Amino acid sequence: AQKITQTQPGMFVQEKEAVTLDCTYDTSDPSYGLFWYKQPSSGEMIFLIYQGSYDQQNATEGRYSLNFQKARKSANLVISASQLGDSAMYFCAMRERTGGFKTIFGAGTRLFVKA
Amino acid sequence: NAGVMQNPRHLVRRRGQEARLRCSPMKGHSHVYWYRQLPEEGLKFMVYLQKENIIDESGMPKERFSAEFPKEGPSILRIQQVVRGDSAAYFCASSPGQSRQTDTQYFGPGTRLTVL
Repeated sequence: AQKITQTQPGMFVQEKEAVTLDCTYDTSDPSYGLFWYKQPSSGEMIFLIYQGSYDQQNATEGRYSLNFQKARKSANLVISASQLGDSAMYFCAMRERTGGFKTIFGAGTRLFVKA
Repeated sequence: NAGVMQNPRHLVRRRGQEARLRCSPMKGHSHVYWYRQLPEEGLKFMVYLQKENIIDESGMPKERFSAEFPKEGPSILRIQQVVRGDSAAYFCASSPGQSRQTDTQYFGPGTRLTVL
């Protein structure tokens, strides 16, 4: 079974609008962390945001926020006021306490921001 | 405040040769991870190391691949007798190693291996 599922292979958004990238996860471990990374065309992996399974509030980092719905096992990334530089691949990832320090990545969503 | 460093950035090898990839973690980080990314796919965990110890190599192919993180110097991922299927981007990440759930892994720029 897929641990991390990103159902949107590609997404388009108009510049300055908000966009939501979906991520669902599967775990029986009550203690886990969720991460989002951005991979621009240059190839590097850039850490964006983290959400812990026990965190009461949704994580936010600047224009990024994480819509964490624990019961639904979803951790969607919301990017507000999209910019052309947001065009990239976005990966959702999870680390379970029982999994040690191993991080499991989803297949990614490619975001295209239109001018 | 240098980030994770990897070299080389690009590596071309012929089938049967050895590929050696290096990773220097961020200052203060004692945990190193290697991941492989095939084209248009997400990252797949290969191995997790601390200084002089392999902690988890469950994602590493049993043959031809090895990794080390010596007391001094960078972490090395070695691929012996490379085949075309080894062509991929290999990413190294490092973390402080403080908590299993919250430890954020910071990635290097990757090494793109091409096997001819």
